[in-house]
Amino acid sequence: GAGVSQSPSNKVTEKGKDVELRCDPISGHTALYWYRQSLGQGLEFLIYFQGNSAPDKSGLPSDRFSAERTGGSVSTLTIQRTQQEDSAVYLCASSPDRGRIETQYFGPGTRLLVL
Amino acid sequence: AQSVTQLDSHVSVSEGTPVLLRCNYSSSYSPSLFWYVQHPNKGLQLLLKYTSAATLVKGINGFEAEFKKSETSFHLTKPSAHMSDAAEYFCVVSFAVSGNQFYFGTGTSLTVIP
Repeated sequence: GAGVSQSPSNKVTEKGKDVELRCDPISGHTALYWYRQSLGQGLEFLIYFQGNSAPDKSGLPSDRFSAERTGGSVSTLTIQRTQQEDSAVYLCASSPDRGRIETQYFGPGTRLLVL
Repeated sequence: AQSVTQLDSHVSVSEGTPVLLRCNYSSSYSPSLFWYVQHPNKGLQLLLKYTSAATLVKGINGFEAEFKKSETSFHLTKPSAHMSDAAEYFCVVSFAVSGNQFYFGTGTSLTVIP
C-alpha cells in the first residue's frame, strides 16, 4: 500500500527565497509530524498535527517556519526568507495513533539546500 | 531536563562480528525508548521499543536492546553483523510527562566491512 510521500525529494534555493515542502500522509492517519535532520544535529522535532490543528508547535525554530494541514490530510511546511542554516532533510511522518511514536510511518524526506 | 545521547557517531565492524550501538538518556521520569534505523534514501524504520515491560527487548533483523535503569542506558546489539545492517541508527526517548515531545539522539552511522 502507499506510504507517506513527500515532495519535492530535493530542493535547491537561494538565500532569502521562500520554499514550500509537501507531505501526503497515509490515508486515514490523523496525526502528522514534521522533523528536521541537520548534519551533525540528529533529528529535531518541529511540529505535530492532530487532524487540522497543531497542538504542539514547540519545535519550530523561528517565525520564518510555519505549517498547515488541510482536510486532515496533506500538510505543507513553509520556510520564509530561507537561510543557509535551514539546509537539512525535512522528514514527515504520520500515525493513526495520537502521540505514539512507535506507530509513526516516515516519508523519504525532502533534502533542502539553501545556497 | 530530558535528553538522549548516542555515544558514537560512527561504528565500524566486520561482517559476522557483534554490533554494539550505545545510547544513554537522562531524565527524572520513566522513559519509553526506541531504536530506529534509516537506510540510505529510505524513511525511518522502527527496530524495537521499550515501554516498561521486559527490560530485554527483541526487535527486527536480529537486533535487541536492554534497558538498564541503573545505568540509564538502552544499548542496541546484534550478535552477528550483516552487510545489509549498514545504515544510520537513532535512539529515541519519550516521556509521558512531555506529551508529544520526542527526543532523538544524533545518530550512529554503522559501517559493515566485508
